[in-house]
Amino acid sequence: QSVLTQPPSVSAAPGQKVTISCSGSTSNIGNNYVSWYQQLPGTAPKLLIYENNERPSGIPDRFSGSKSGTSATLAITGLQTGDEADYYCGAWDSSRSLSVFYVFGTGTKVTVL
Amino acid sequence: QAQLVESGGGVVQPGRSLRLSCAASGIIFSSYGMHWVRQAPGKGLEWVAVIWYDGSKKHYADSVKGRFTISRDNSKNTLYLQMNSLRVEDTALYYCARDASGGSGWFDPWGQGTLVSVSS
Repeated sequence: QSVLTQPPSVSAAPGQKVTISCSGSTSNIGNNYVSWYQQLPGTAPKLLIYENNERPSGIPDRFSGSKSGTSATLAITGLQTGDEADYYCGAWDSSRSLSVFYVFGTGTKVTVL
Repeated sequence: QAQLVESGGGVVQPGRSLRLSCAASGIIFSSYGMHWVRQAPGKGLEWVAVIWYDGSKKHYADSVKGRFTISRDNSKNTLYLQMNSLRVEDTALYYCARDASGGSGWFDPWGQGTLVSVSS
């Protein structure tokens, strides 16, 4: 089954901005919503962004999402040490007939320098 | 406060079976689809299976199809994953997660996970 492709790692200094790309295809990102998850070390994933660019309550506006064609992007501005984590994108995939499956991105580790 | 608590993990030999449970509280369990997602040690997230809110539809990852069965008991607010013919590569932390989207595909909340180790 396909996966969504993310860069293995990104880094920046505190206060700076990082962007994480998520590349897919027409069967997943191209025709379905994208969500993003933050996984702090040793903890379960947490929803950050849903339906491409919506933030759940409690998520600061430093986190934003966007989608264009078969790719999506997560941006983190005003980077903080507490943002050091692994980040994953996800989307439904409808490439199988009579069935659907969900795909996650390969994951990106964010390091605050 | 929505909460999901997994249980049932452990160490098992290849070829054996294990059943995981996920107890939900603080949500109207019967209104939501539910997923299992796993994460092998040091690896990324891998979606395993989904079950519709009423149990009417189930979908699986190719890697577990025919071996794993997802089910639910809405009267007990509990989700299950029956895992048969376990393989070494099934070793992972297994999370349950609510499909909060009603179809658009976003998971919230997640449980804390239960560890399954398949080893001879």
